[in-house]
Amino acid sequence: GEDVEQSLFLSVREGDSSVINCTYTDSSSTYLYWYKQEPGAGLQLLTYIFSNMDMKQDQRLTVLLNKKDKHLSLRIADTQTGDSAIYFCAETITGGGNKLTFGTGTQLKVEL
Amino acid sequence: DADVTQTPRNRITKTGKRIMLECSQTKGHDRMYWYRQDPGLGLRLIYYSFDVKDINKGEISDGYSVSRQAQAKFSLSLESAIPNQTALYFCATSDLLAGGYEQYFGPGTRLTVT
Repeated sequence: GEDVEQSLFLSVREGDSSVINCTYTDSSSTYLYWYKQEPGAGLQLLTYIFSNMDMKQDQRLTVLLNKKDKHLSLRIADTQTGDSAIYFCAETITGGGNKLTFGTGTQLKVEL
Repeated sequence: DADVTQTPRNRITKTGKRIMLECSQTKGHDRMYWYRQDPGLGLRLIYYSFDVKDINKGEISDGYSVSRQAQAKFSLSLESAIPNQTALYFCATSDLLAGGYEQYFGPGTRLTVT
């Protein structure tokens, strides 16, 4: 079955890098995603990576995928207070009809 | 204007009451989804619809029903609300033609069942 896990909390200082980790169990993942949820709002897609890629970079965001270990990470460089939010990893699987399976979410707190 | 809207945004209801949450979208997407969010559990899929005539159960459909009245509208009903259905509910859409990579979420409905 599908299972996506994340640690619940991460606290960093402004200007430092944040690394949010995610592990998944389904080896037939096609795409893996990072969504951001700001307080009182819905989720917004930050970035996604196809399962045959190892890395994707988009401005301050770097996604690393270790398919062998089924480990996905999101690195945010120069973390700002506006990055404080809940971050969800999610996956879609082959034949899954574009359904997303979400992780439990990581609450990122950025301190001054 | 928001592309995916949900009404109501907040609702308090009593155990046993019937309640409907509504979702509308102006994105023209064919696929629509209902999720619930609980602290520490992430989002879990309740129902999804690939078009007006296609409705599918998600991982936690018990106690819920849905109706896809039109391509743009997808409503979620709780026939007899119970306290453990207290949660934040999200509607989302995606577009098959665009590859379906991204789901677009509404702002959420906070439901409290007392």
